[in-house]
Amino acid sequence: DAKTTQPPSMDCAEGRAANLPCNHSTISGNEYVYWYRQIHSQGPQYIIHGLKNNETNEMASLIITEDRKSSTLILPHATLRDTAVYYCIVRVRGGSNYKLTFGKGTLLTVNP
Amino acid sequence: NAGVTQTPKFQVLKTGQSMTLQCAQDMNHEYMSWYRQDPGMGLRLIHYSVGAGITDQGEVPNGYNVSRSTTEDFPLRLLSAAPSQTSVYFCASSYSNLAVEGSYNEQFFGPGTRLTVL
Repeated sequence: DAKTTQPPSMDCAEGRAANLPCNHSTISGNEYVYWYRQIHSQGPQYIIHGLKNNETNEMASLIITEDRKSSTLILPHATLRDTAVYYCIVRVRGGSNYKLTFGKGTLLTVNP
Repeated sequence: NAGVTQTPKFQVLKTGQSMTLQCAQDMNHEYMSWYRQDPGMGLRLIHYSVGAGITDQGEVPNGYNVSRSTTEDFPLRLLSAAPSQTSVYFCASSYSNLAVEGSYNEQFFGPGTRLTVL
């Protein structure tokens, strides 16, 4: 029962910007969008999160549409080490609590 | 500051055996969770805890038990292992209570335990 939709895979040339899209049309008004990535078989690593405004940190930028139904994670200058599975996550409500669950993500392959 | 640690890194069990996967964090985080990841799949939430003595079920809780007697530790118990429980298990922790609407924070993940049930 995924609450987000991401392409299963994407390619990007080294040094170019990688733009990873995510649809989250059922997001509620005060819920954040989170992005994590998982390199090979390691534990996932937090990248960035956002609510309404665009966000930027040392790793990436997050662009959220005005209606909040979709977002794009931007890696401005992709390197080979950015090859990973990228997860876009929106929390879902289960009973009285919210749960942070992951979908299948997008496998980003950065090519030399 | 070791972050989130998990033991063991690898484990092979026979069907019907029991075992406990250990998870510990030294960041004084209240929220801890367990996920499983099967080949080609994302992570699925098994159980989570919002503090010592408080646990709740995630997406796939059947076959697993948890308890939270201290802030630091959140063990995952398999009472009677089945081949369907062959997976990679990740433990995570967060400063914020991620079960509360509108809360936000990053989760810190451990390195994972690779479990095979024969």
